[in-house]
Amino acid sequence: GESVGLHLPTLSVQEGDNSIINCAYSNSASDYFIWYKQESGKGPQFIIDIRSNMDKRQGQRVTVLLNKTVKHLSLQIAATQPGDSAVYFCAENPGTYKYIFGTGTRLKVLA
Amino acid sequence: DSGVTQTPKHLITATGQRVTLRCSPRSGDLSVYWYQQSLDQGLQFLIQYYNGEERAKGNILERFSAQQFPDLHSELNLSSLELGDSALYFCASSVTGSTGELFFGEGSRLTVL
Repeated sequence: GESVGLHLPTLSVQEGDNSIINCAYSNSASDYFIWYKQESGKGPQFIIDIRSNMDKRQGQRVTVLLNKTVKHLSLQIAATQPGDSAVYFCAENPGTYKYIFGTGTRLKVLA
Repeated sequence: DSGVTQTPKHLITATGQRVTLRCSPRSGDLSVYWYQQSLDQGLQFLIQYYNGEERAKGNILERFSAQQFPDLHSELNLSSLELGDSALYFCASSVTGSTGELFFGEGSRLTVL
């Protein structure tokens, strides 16, 4: 179904370590994916996107990997900083004019 | 600042009441999306408009309605409010509405007492 409401899984990482946040998407027809970061009390902010004709895309300190075979996305954050603490959502666009968001993962950066 | 403006930022009301949330998209964006986010949950898609016309509908209750006006701003109307309607309501805009980045506003926090 779409965007299931569950308690958020939490990933705790030490400052300076790399973080990997995973997302399983639901629709094999989805051809565009976005990762968003949401800080407490704020709206989601765009981090990075990827189209289905790519397997990997890199940004500044972030990399998104797409595995269409198993319908899996991951977001890698290098050298995680305290400012990276937030909830991270993946979103898929199955071409139906609506973006479907995943459950979200809370990232906690430990000093 | 995403360029998407939502008002009001906070709203407290009673059960049974009706409220209107307003969204102004980024300049040049034709499409507006509404999402609901309950406490510690994901973003539930409600409805999307493109250039004044409804384009996609999600899990939007019959008590809720929305529209996009000729100047492209949008309003989400919530009526016969229930305690469970308490949530953050986000508006997002995009250029085309079919692909590309969604730009989110800061949200309207609705509390129903």
